[in-house]
Order: sequence, then structure tokens, then C-alpha cells
Amino acid sequence: GEKVEQHESTLSVREGDSAVINCTYTDTASSYFPWYKQEAGKSLHFVIDIRSNVDRKQSQRLIVLLDKKAKRFSLHITATQPEDSAIYFCAADASSGSWQLIFGSGTQLTVMP
Amino acid sequence: DAGVTQTPRHEVAEKGQTIILKCEPVSGHNDLFWYRQTKIQGLELLSYFRSKSLMEDGGAFKDRFKAEMLNSSFSTLKIQPTEPKDSAVYLCASRGDREVFFGKGTRLTVV
Repeated sequence: GEKVEQHESTLSVREGDSAVINCTYTDTASSYFPWYKQEAGKSLHFVIDIRSNVDRKQSQRLIVLLDKKAKRFSLHITATQPEDSAIYFCAADASSGSWQLIFGSGTQLTVMP
Repeated sequence: DAGVTQTPRHEVAEKGQTIILKCEPVSGHNDLFWYRQTKIQGLELLSYFRSKSLMEDGGAFKDRFKAEMLNSSFSTLKIQPTEPKDSAVYLCASRGDREVFFGKGTRLTVV
């Protein structure tokens, strides 16, 4: 079955710098890749997603890149702010159109003032 | 606009007890998920319902974990009997069209 690996378990950046979190997946049939943010003591909430018919998507300071050949996708946070500090989870659908999301293990991002 | 509501927020159980966690999905959502979150294992799917029908019962979690959805607006997760290794945060989530919405979770501690 699908496996999602999240490469950075922790990441520290200075405020204003960019942060990049990388994930890889195994199932070439996966077509949907969302990202979730979990702030301390809170639950996960959706931040951005990308589908396999595009290779780039941007929403304000968030950019998601998808490289289907390498089975890799990444979240770029530009001009980071302290409130970006959280755990970020990448996910992929178990197969194209599947209901099930397979999550990465999470990356703790710390933005230092 | 209510999101996914989970109760209780915290639960302490003695080993061997039965506990029931509750979830109210976002109104109108057809898909409901139960996940377990731990630092070591991350997010693990326990159960999945589509339009109240159980689609996935979590494989390895079958023996002591039972999720039910008696109506479209309420689901329960029963753990019987509890073991210390069940200590975790249990997350309920629902999905309508695409995006999955998570509840705030129930933190379970089994002593």
C-alpha cells in the first residue's frame, strides 16, 4: 500500500526566511496531496493541497510543488512568521480517487524571531 | 458553523475498563474517520464510514476497537478492554467534498 515519508522531523528557520518541508510517496496512482497544520495543543487543520494534474499551486505565502516522476512533493512557506510554528503533516490518497489519506510523520517547524 | 465535535476532551481509564469516545461530524458530511495519533506511530486510521456504512475497520485495531455510526450526525468509538498502550489522542474527522476536517481530539490516558 501507499507509504508517505516526511523527511524532516524538525525544522528551524529565522523569521522572514523560507521553510521547505519535503515528502515522498510510493504509489504512482496517488493523485491528491493535502497538507495539514497542527498548532500546539490543537487539532489538525487543512492548509493547502495539490492534485496530480498540476505541478505547482500557491496560496498566499504557501507554495506546493509536485514532482510526479520523483514521487515527491514539498511545502514552501515564504516570509515565515512566528505563527507559522506548528507541526506540518503531508498526506497522499491511498490510490487515485481513494477515500483514505495516508499521512507522513509530521515536521515540527519552529520560526525563531 | 460547527466543525467536528469530540467529547470528552480528556479521559483517564484504568486498565481493563471500557471507554466510549463520541464524535459529531460536520453537518452534511458523508465520510467519517477515526484516527489515533501518537508521537511514535503518527496518525493511524482506525475506522472509516461512508454514509453511515463501515468501509474500513482498521485491520490491526479490530479486536478491541469498535466504531459505530448509528446516524449521520453521531459516531462512537468503543475501546474494550483498554490497555496502557492505548494511551493516545483519538481524532475524529469528516469530509464532504474534498477537504477533511478534524475535531480537537480526545486525549486518552490508560493507567
